Amino acid sequence: QQQVKQSPQSLIVQKGGIPIINCAYENTAFDYFPWYQQFPGKGPALLIAIRPDVSEKKEGRFTISFNKSAKQFSLHIMDSQPGDSATYFCAGTGSARQLTFGSGTQLTVLP
Amino acid sequence: GAGVSQSPRYKVAKRGQDVALRCDPISGHVSLFWYQQALGQGPEFLTYFQNEAQLDKSGLPSDRFFAERPEGSVSTLKIQRTQQEDSAVYLCASDRGLAGGPGSTDTQYFGPGTRLTVL
Repeated sequence: QQQVKQSPQSLIVQKGGIPIINCAYENTAFDYFPWYQQFPGKGPALLIAIRPDVSEKKEGRFTISFNKSAKQFSLHIMDSQPGDSATYFCAGTGSARQLTFGSGTQLTVLP
Repeated sequence: GAGVSQSPRYKVAKRGQDVALRCDPISGHVSLFWYQQALGQGPEFLTYFQNEAQLDKSGLPSDRFFAERPEGSVSTLKIQRTQQEDSAVYLCASDRGLAGGPGSTDTQYFGPGTRLTVL
């Protein structure tokens, strides 16, 4: 059972654009929603995370928007740069500790 | 400081061979996780240790998969009689183990993974 659905599968934007990646979760026991960034040949690295008691969180150029009633959350990357080209994964977790990941979005930022 | 390290980085095995993958977590990290990442997919949970205790092994796909962490630091994931469907990147992650109960959590730090190819 896929508990975190992520879209789109791939995304291409121009430098300076604002890519948006969307995720929806099913497990209402999740209480922490991190986003991970992964470059080829590397392990995922935490980018930003949010808890369901807030609707938005910003860290630098990265913003998470969270809609608890719809069980959806999204990542916005402001002023995107070619160096942001990577695969992005949303995830959810709760007291069980394990991360449940989405299927990933391959982002390409064109110079 | 040193991050999570994994070895080997690449492993090629013939179908039916046994393999052992090693994970060195960040020093002092209590919790250790193994994930399997198929090509083009997100990581999927395999198993979780807190110190030397294996608290959750619900993600191990078959009894050919076995993990241990005997002294509460280094962990080994062993796959017996490898099959082609075992080909994937195996990721290890660790955290401080501070999480507990609703609303609390801790950042999991991932290693670079071991890419296993079974021929």
